[in-house]
Amino acid sequence: DIQMTQSPHSLSASLGETVSIECLASEGISNYLAWYQQKPGKSPQLLIYYTSSLQDGVPSRFSGSGSGTQYSLKISNMQPEDEGVYYCQQGYKYPYTFGAGTKLELK
Amino acid sequence: EVQLVESGGGLVQPGRSLKLSCAASEFTFSSYYMAWVRQAPKKGLEWVATISTSGNRTYYPDSVKGRFTISRDNAKSSLYLQMNSLKSEDTATYYCARPANTGDYFDYWGQGVMVTVSS
Repeated sequence: DIQMTQSPHSLSASLGETVSIECLASEGISNYLAWYQQKPGKSPQLLIYYTSSLQDGVPSRFSGSGSGTQYSLKISNMQPEDEGVYYCQQGYKYPYTFGAGTKLELK
Repeated sequence: EVQLVESGGGLVQPGRSLKLSCAASEFTFSSYYMAWVRQAPKKGLEWVATISTSGNRTYYPDSVKGRFTISRDNAKSSLYLQMNSLKSEDTATYYCARPANTGDYFDYWGQGVMVTVSS
């Protein structure tokens, strides 16, 4: 199985700050990497797919990049509504696997 | 707007069975693969099963293979998850999710249904 290692486990950011979350795959996943945001008590919401494609309706302050085994999510201009837990997910091959999550809080 | 509504959760004893359902609407259900993803309390996400459009292909991780069965009824726009030989580690919120047309990520999720396995 492909292991997805996310870092950091948690972070806090000030309003307007830029933050990055990293995701390392145990083998190459050919850009089949998605990012989700989950708020307390809610289901996950898709933010980015295929490494860098922004899902409809997601603010442009979210962006993704990466290749091979290393991927990242960048949130520019941190807003209060960006608080939540972020997960990466590889869709390169079954079993699809998720990172452990990164909790983002507003400082 | 795509809607996925799960039902059938509850408290069940270890070793028993439970069947979850997901009612889909506002999209052509028969044209999409469908999936289940779960989340144990205070834990991360775990993919549980995926089924092809016609139902002839199914995929599972080793953690549930042989115990869980995903199925669908395209005429009813419904997805199911039959869970047998349940274990305490199956306790989780189960989400019905729609894989995108490319199949490699999930673009819509239901609100989730809680399954608690305990004596």
